Amino acid sequence: RKEVEQDPGPFNVPEGATVAFNCTYSNSASQSFFWYRQDCRKEPKLLMSVYSSGNEDGRFTAQLNRASQYISLLIRDSKLSDSATYLCVVGYDTGNQFYFGTGTSLTVIP
Amino acid sequence: DAGITQSPRHKVTETGTPVTLRCHQTENHRYMYWYRQDPGHGLRLIHYSYGVKDTDKGEVSDGYSVSRSKTEDFLLTLESATSSQTSVYFCAIRLGWADTQYFGPGTRLTVL
Repeated sequence: RKEVEQDPGPFNVPEGATVAFNCTYSNSASQSFFWYRQDCRKEPKLLMSVYSSGNEDGRFTAQLNRASQYISLLIRDSKLSDSATYLCVVGYDTGNQFYFGTGTSLTVIP
Repeated sequence: DAGITQSPRHKVTETGTPVTLRCHQTENHRYMYWYRQDPGHGLRLIHYSYGVKDTDKGEVSDGYSVSRSKTEDFLLTLESATSSQTSVYFCAIRLGWADTQYFGPGTRLTVL
């Protein structure tokens, strides 16, 4: 079983739509959670960390559910520039390890 | 910009040849990582370093070695490249124990 699993998509949504991605993780000892964005043929870039109480950054909202072991990312009012692959990342306090999901592809359509 | 560069950015080589990829950082961060990214697998950790001469294996370390003789440089070596090592290789740094990672631009390696 993979440490981190994501729906690969693709998600094709019109501009202005709201879209949500989920990610599940297998190890309950996970300590840190992140969403990264990766554009085609580029390096992953941090979008936002995910905190236990949930957090928001502009149009982006991240939630963590430890009981069910999933994290989510909500994008409101989608822009063409949001088109990318979104990676879910889970870190462990011991072992210096981070596990990446395979990514969810989003295309925002005019 | 986390001040990370990777070289070369692209390389084509033949099976059985040695290959060394370099990751260079300008800001004296302690933690450095090498990942590979392949379709269907996401990023997988090869090796990481937590200081000069301090390294450890990751999830997919077989066939790879690393060295870190200076804080700013983390080298990844494929002693005898195989076609299964064709991939995109990313270096990353981490500012501190509680921080996330920042990635270099990547190296596209093709082993024929």
